[in-house]
Amino acid sequence: GESVGLHLPTLSVQEGDNSIINCAYSNSASDYFIWYKQESGKGPQFIIDIRSNMDKRQGQRVTVLLNKTVKHLSLQIAATQPGDSAVYFCAENLTGNQFYFGTGTSLTVIP
Amino acid sequence: DTEVTQTPKHLVMGMTNKKSLKCEQHMGHRAMYWYKQKAKKPPELMFVYSYEKLSINESVPSRFSPECPNSSLLNLHLHALQPEDSALYLCASSQDGGRAGNTEAFFGQGTRLTVV
Repeated sequence: GESVGLHLPTLSVQEGDNSIINCAYSNSASDYFIWYKQESGKGPQFIIDIRSNMDKRQGQRVTVLLNKTVKHLSLQIAATQPGDSAVYFCAENLTGNQFYFGTGTSLTVIP
Repeated sequence: DTEVTQTPKHLVMGMTNKKSLKCEQHMGHRAMYWYKQKAKKPPELMFVYSYEKLSINESVPSRFSPECPNSSLLNLHLHALQPEDSALYLCASSQDGGRAGNTEAFFGQGTRLTVV
């Protein structure tokens, strides 16, 4: 699979602050990206997705930004809460049914 | 129903045992996946089934044998595993990207496998 890397393996934020998690991808042909949240002992949970014909997509408290020029993806979480503590993965979808995961960032929210 | 159900949740097996992991979804998804996840690592793609046919095998050793009996079920047969195969095995499903367009994959909670 293609390399999908994250810049920071760990991130600690104060409750109420905004969090930004970054991801770099290497395959310029990738056309669909997903952010997943994985809590301890559980499977990855879908957060938000974005297609390559968009550069921004918003959900509830989350925003994903896509910069195709530098092949960079970010996840912004507004007003971070203790329940947001988890590992966050970006996943890159290549042709057909191939989802490849990046390294992951462990987010810790400090009360 | 947006669930992917995996059984068992935990499995301990010896290196000479044969066991199977099971996965079930009722979302009408025609793509199903097996991933392997080691501690503090991202899930690694193992197999992809599309319309009950194996479409991707990521060079997985033959001691792992996938099976897709019908559109709702996916099995992973295990035989002669090694201790280094101990990991969380995740099943996922999605609409088939080739025909319906790419959509997110839904994951089960995984089977925690320990090989002794």
